[in-house]
Amino acid sequence: NAGVTQTPKFQVLKTGQSMTLQCAQDMNHEYMSWYRQDPGMGLRLIHYSVGAGITDQGEVPNGYNVSRSTTEDFPLRLLSAAPSQTSVYFCATQVSGTQYFGPGTRLLVL
Amino acid sequence: GEDVEQSLFLSVREGDSSVINCTYTDSSSTYLYWYKQEPGAGLQLLTYIFSNMDMKQDQRLTVLLNKKDKHLSLRIADTQTGDSAIYFCAENHPDRGSTLGRLYFGRGTQLTVWP
Repeated sequence: NAGVTQTPKFQVLKTGQSMTLQCAQDMNHEYMSWYRQDPGMGLRLIHYSVGAGITDQGEVPNGYNVSRSTTEDFPLRLLSAAPSQTSVYFCATQVSGTQYFGPGTRLLVL
Repeated sequence: GEDVEQSLFLSVREGDSSVINCTYTDSSSTYLYWYKQEPGAGLQLLTYIFSNMDMKQDQRLTVLLNKKDKHLSLRIADTQTGDSAIYFCAENHPDRGSTLGRLYFGRGTQLTVWP
């Protein structure tokens, strides 16, 4: 049981490039979400999903897309990376009021 | 609103108790959480409390909830150098008819424990 896994661990992008951050879970949790963490800030919700085929926006969705074709996977796509998207990204699942976080992806956009 | 407020820094001596405070705004929150984050790591759930409880104790951790004042605190007894980390308070905003929902986080309190 690996819990929540995220790949890659680190990524450097140039402005305008696109990429996908992967998140996978093996706990069969319906609820999944993506957060970003910036220095001196708490985590802010980007997008979330209550189950396969259903996604919704969080606090800071602009510049990001998500899809949820399976229960296990919840990828986050950056359409055209900007320096303001430099951050640490965390994926999480939730069940019975408890959220489980992945180890994070550190993204630097130059 | 979704504002969760915490003080940014706390320093204590090893062996003393630490108290980290948090205020939140949404009276409909069903759960309130404390997470710990060590440098370069993800968030580790330390403990949580249901909104209908006043206190929860778990080994060295004591959570106190004052719903009237929307105030949450985390007390760490016998603080150790390994407790040095950032501690995040978070509140849950449940979706209708569900215990699931969004989490809103404070900015985190950097706890430094001096030997």
